[in-house]
Amino acid sequence: GAGVSQSPRYKVAKRGQDVALRCDPISGHVSLFWYQQALGQGPEFLTYFQNEAQLDKSGLPSDRFFAERPEGSVSTLKIQRTQQEDSAVYLCASSSDLNTEAFFGQGTRLTVV
Amino acid sequence: GNSVTQMEGPVTLSEEAFLTINCTYTATGYPSLFWYVQYPGEGLQLLLKATKADDKGSNKGFEATYRKETTSFHLEKGSVQVSDSAVYFCALGGYNTNAGKSTFGDGTTLTVKP
Repeated sequence: GAGVSQSPRYKVAKRGQDVALRCDPISGHVSLFWYQQALGQGPEFLTYFQNEAQLDKSGLPSDRFFAERPEGSVSTLKIQRTQQEDSAVYLCASSSDLNTEAFFGQGTRLTVV
Repeated sequence: GNSVTQMEGPVTLSEEAFLTINCTYTATGYPSLFWYVQYPGEGLQLLLKATKADDKGSNKGFEATYRKETTSFHLEKGSVQVSDSAVYFCALGGYNTNAGKSTFGDGTTLTVKP
């Protein structure tokens, strides 16, 4: 497809379960960003990749959160031992470089019960 | 650190009314400023941006001017349509000009009634 694709669109996890969220960026986009958006709030930055290199992970809220982009294309955000406060929409965005627009996916809504 | 304060919603207007959504920011340096829109069931879309003081961003009839002296970036539209109903986010910063790492406001929900 032409846009940023995220899967699954919805995920329900039991507390303590591990989850993996996938992002397929626009083909050829070297920059990739993950955001967390809690209900009624704006997105908050989690982490940034330039190709396969994770250049900024300052927004990851705890060491339970881990992101990777091993081949510089698809990225996975993994959350270990999920907690209720992890319930949010996780957004992925990509751009061709740092001087062009970043395009957002529709997000994955994670609910931890 | 950086922060963005948006006018609280929800905002309800009649079609063809004038729209203003206030946005003020706190930042070090001279960040780029952005407005994003999220239509129901869709992802965030860049609406407009301004990269330096006194720049005016515009798109689809919406405008916002980067005011350094008042640290503001208010969104305006002269005549709203029902199709403008959405959530609007003001955002600051990012790497260079692409908003890829930005600080977002909490969003303002706009409903336009026919």
